[in-house]
Amino acid sequence: EAGVTQFPSHSVIEKGQTVTLRCDPISGHDNLYWYRRVMGKEIKFLLHFVKESKQDESGMPNNRFLAERTGGTYSTLKVQPAELEDSGVYFCASRATGGVVGELFFGEGSRLTVL
Amino acid sequence: LAKTTQPISMDSYEGQEVNITCSHNNIATNDYITWYQQFPSQGPRFIIQGYKTKVTNEVASLFIPADRKSSTLSLPRVSLSDTAVYYCLVGVVYNQGGKLIFGQGTELSVKP
Repeated sequence: EAGVTQFPSHSVIEKGQTVTLRCDPISGHDNLYWYRRVMGKEIKFLLHFVKESKQDESGMPNNRFLAERTGGTYSTLKVQPAELEDSGVYFCASRATGGVVGELFFGEGSRLTVL
Repeated sequence: LAKTTQPISMDSYEGQEVNITCSHNNIATNDYITWYQQFPSQGPRFIIQGYKTKVTNEVASLFIPADRKSSTLSLPRVSLSDTAVYYCLVGVVYNQGGKLIFGQGTELSVKP
C-alpha cells in the first residue's frame, strides 16, 4: 500500500512568488493534516481536513496560506506571495477515521526555500 | 495541552537498551502519551501510544507510572539504524482529531 506522498520534494522560489505543494494521502484516509517545521523550530500544526472540510485551521499563520482538498482526496497548500520566513519543511499526514487517534502517517515532506 | 520535557540528546551503543524519559507534570485525565520517531529527511513515524501502565509492540515498550506525570520509551537492543529524533507527545484525545503538538524531541545517537 502506498504511503503519503508529497510533491515537490524541494522547491526554491524567490520572495513574492507563488508555490503550491501537493499531498496525496493514503487511500481511504478521511483525515488529512498539514504541518511544517521552519528553521530551528519545532514541527507545528497548520490545519486538519476531514474529507473536504476544514476541521481545524487554527495553525495557519496568515492569509497568504491557502489549503484545499477538493473531492476529499488529495490536498494542496498554496503560499502566495511567499516570504523568507516561509522557508522550511512542510509535512502532510493522514489518518483513517476510527484508527488510533495519535497514529498519523506522515509523508517525507516538501522542503521550501524562499530566496 | 500538557507540556513535555525530554532530554535534548542521548548517546548509546549498538546492542544496548535505551530508555528515554519524558516529563509531563500537567497531563490531563483524558490525555494519551504518544511517541514518534523521525529520521533525517523523513516525516515523523508513529512508534507507540499508551494511557497507563505498560504498552509493548514489536518496536518498543512504553512505561507509564500510576501518576502519569512521566513516561519512559524503552528501545531494546538498539542498532545504528535507531539513530533518530524521538518525540514525546501528550494530549492526543479523540475530540482533538489527531492534532499533534511536537516538542524539541530527543536526538538519539547510536554508535558502533
